Amino acid sequence: DSGVTQTPKHLITATGQRVTLRCSPRSGDLSVYWYQQSLDQGLQFLIQYYNGEERAKGNILERFSAQQFPDLHSELNLSSLELGDSALYFCASSVGGVWSTDTQYFGPGTRLTVL
Amino acid sequence: ILNVEQSPQSLHVQEGDSTNFTCSFPSSNFYALHWYRWETAKSPEALFVMTLNGDEKKKGRISATLNTKEGYSYLYIKGSQPEDSATYLCAFTHRDTGNQFYFGTGTSLTVIP
Repeated sequence: DSGVTQTPKHLITATGQRVTLRCSPRSGDLSVYWYQQSLDQGLQFLIQYYNGEERAKGNILERFSAQQFPDLHSELNLSSLELGDSALYFCASSVGGVWSTDTQYFGPGTRLTVL
Repeated sequence: ILNVEQSPQSLHVQEGDSTNFTCSFPSSNFYALHWYRWETAKSPEALFVMTLNGDEKKKGRISATLNTKEGYSYLYIKGSQPEDSATYLCAFTHRDTGNQFYFGTGTSLTVIP
């Protein structure tokens, strides 16, 4: 158990809908990262937050947004969902920010299925 | 997008065999290299973080080496056991983007009892 929690574990929804994925980092970790793993691709970095502020952005679609709250939990919002958004979404956390080499600890993931 | 390649894509070995796989990454602007072990239906578990050329790390029967000048890292497993069966991922980080991970596609290891 990495200490990172994610809810829900599974989510099934329809095209055009909006969903919110939630992540609680390990105690003491200030950074939260979001990753997507689609069927035919490896883990892709989406976005990073550090202590409430967005710090780095990867291949995140405009239909997706995230935020980190004062208690350091983070939410990833996915809207106008398409079939291709079906994937495993991981959250990870680390102590340091962008300019650290800290290990990232991964949560159990949320499996999103868009029908 | 930075290219991080892992080889082989999959590997089947007999219990007791030693094995190794490769992670290749851009040799310029290296920041750090991370290795993870990912078992089916679980989350990736950190093995090593390597930051200096020539770094060698060891954890039980698993060890890793790093060559930043030529852009590769090797992961070795000595005396493979069935519980070593997993996908092994490397994640490269670049000096311009800090702790943003660029993952390879992984090497899937199956250890046959």
